[in-house]
Amino acid sequence: DTEVTQTPKHLVMGMTNKKSLKCEQHMGHRAMYWYKQKAKKPPELMFVYSYEKLSINESVPSRFSPECPNSSLLNLHLHALQPEDSALYLCASSQDRGYEQYFGPGTRLTVT
Amino acid sequence: GESVGLHLPTLSVQEGDNSIINCAYSNSASDYFIWYKQESGKGPQFIIDIRSNMDKRQGQRVTVLLNKTVKHLSLQIAATQPGDSAVYFCAETDTGGFKTIFGAGTRLFVKA
Repeated sequence: DTEVTQTPKHLVMGMTNKKSLKCEQHMGHRAMYWYKQKAKKPPELMFVYSYEKLSINESVPSRFSPECPNSSLLNLHLHALQPEDSALYLCASSQDRGYEQYFGPGTRLTVT
Repeated sequence: GESVGLHLPTLSVQEGDNSIINCAYSNSASDYFIWYKQESGKGPQFIIDIRSNMDKRQGQRVTVLLNKTVKHLSLQIAATQPGDSAVYFCAETDTGGFKTIFGAGTRLFVKA
């Protein structure tokens, strides 16, 4: 199984809502990532978890809160987002540091 | 700051021709480079990678060349097919092995 799954596929939320994005992989990978991708732009790294511990936070605003409940799951909790946070949010995993990343299809987020 | 860039934002080739997509990177300390393909509505898909101790790597119909002297990376696709139409990103990973920076991307159009 070389698949990374993400739910939901689409999400529309107001600026006062709280929602969560979910990501799952069953490849036994020990590193998991969150990226943000705006239209016609490259993915931008947000967070990296290694062995279920947060390794990298790319100065992401606190309205984005990552969580790694176990080695297969990665969540991104959203609260009080801004319209400019509307984007495609991609989850990825890799065997460990320094290996190729496998990406999920993303969650298309619209903040109204 | 660190950046990974591309020389051509779009590339149009005839089916059956070879394609070459170029990329410049700025961090001479980066030691792992990856090419990803992203089709519309999907997450990036790993194509091929190369580590800094190599200058060439071949896969099925694809070849990656790394020139560390001028900090240049290229992806060669042989006998380009319509299914190769997508956006191609080069990506650079730091020595820590987690922080991945994507280039701006090149859209490849394959004309039948």
